[in-house]
Amino acid sequence: SQQGEEDPQALSIQEGENATMNCSYKTSINNLQWYRQNSGRGLVHLILIRSNEREKHSGRLRVTLDTSKKSSSLLITASRAADTASYFCATEPTGGGNKLTFGTGTQLKVEL
Amino acid sequence: GAVVSQHPSWVICKSGTSVKIECRSLDFQATTMFWYRQFPKQSLMLMATSNEGSKATYEQGVEKDKFLINHASLTLSTLTVTSAHPEDSSFYICSSSGIGLGSNEQFFGPGTRLTVL
Repeated sequence: SQQGEEDPQALSIQEGENATMNCSYKTSINNLQWYRQNSGRGLVHLILIRSNEREKHSGRLRVTLDTSKKSSSLLITASRAADTASYFCATEPTGGGNKLTFGTGTQLKVEL
Repeated sequence: GAVVSQHPSWVICKSGTSVKIECRSLDFQATTMFWYRQFPKQSLMLMATSNEGSKATYEQGVEKDKFLINHASLTLSTLTVTSAHPEDSSFYICSSSGIGLGSNEQFFGPGTRLTVL
């Protein structure tokens, strides 16, 4: 399977703490994207980082990409209870025609 | 941002019946639509890629005669699960990329939960 892997599978933190999720993938990529999914709902696009970028910020989100290690991390700072959701990384492989391969996901729970 | 809708949001059907799920791009022209399946507590698995006006491309292991995809216009793609069985119960999600959106971002529909009794 070409599916990427994420760790941890589940993460439980207190509100105000930072949450870090990691993603590893297997092929060369055009870009890597992070999505959020609330239980039983569709996906919300969070951030896209291109293969020639190393770090990107969006609000409380910080994404890094290391193409030599085929890995990425998503950091959510000052987490809130509303951040509770599943987070997935997705890679667009080089020459893949916009197809995305999703990672296994991290279930984040932020407790009050 | 671009909006993608799916209909129905949930459906319950008897084993052996066929179910059609619609995916619409509401404010852009979707040249390509993707269909995914997601089992509980698992990730999304790409089933097929659908391009307007041409046949869908199915991923390995996905039966094209069981999961019929039609992308007849730039705003609508349909997935028909034929002769559904309980093991087809899943969350089906479509996504679109399209003309003039200016990025590689895909826009996802809210999903359709299929339960086959």
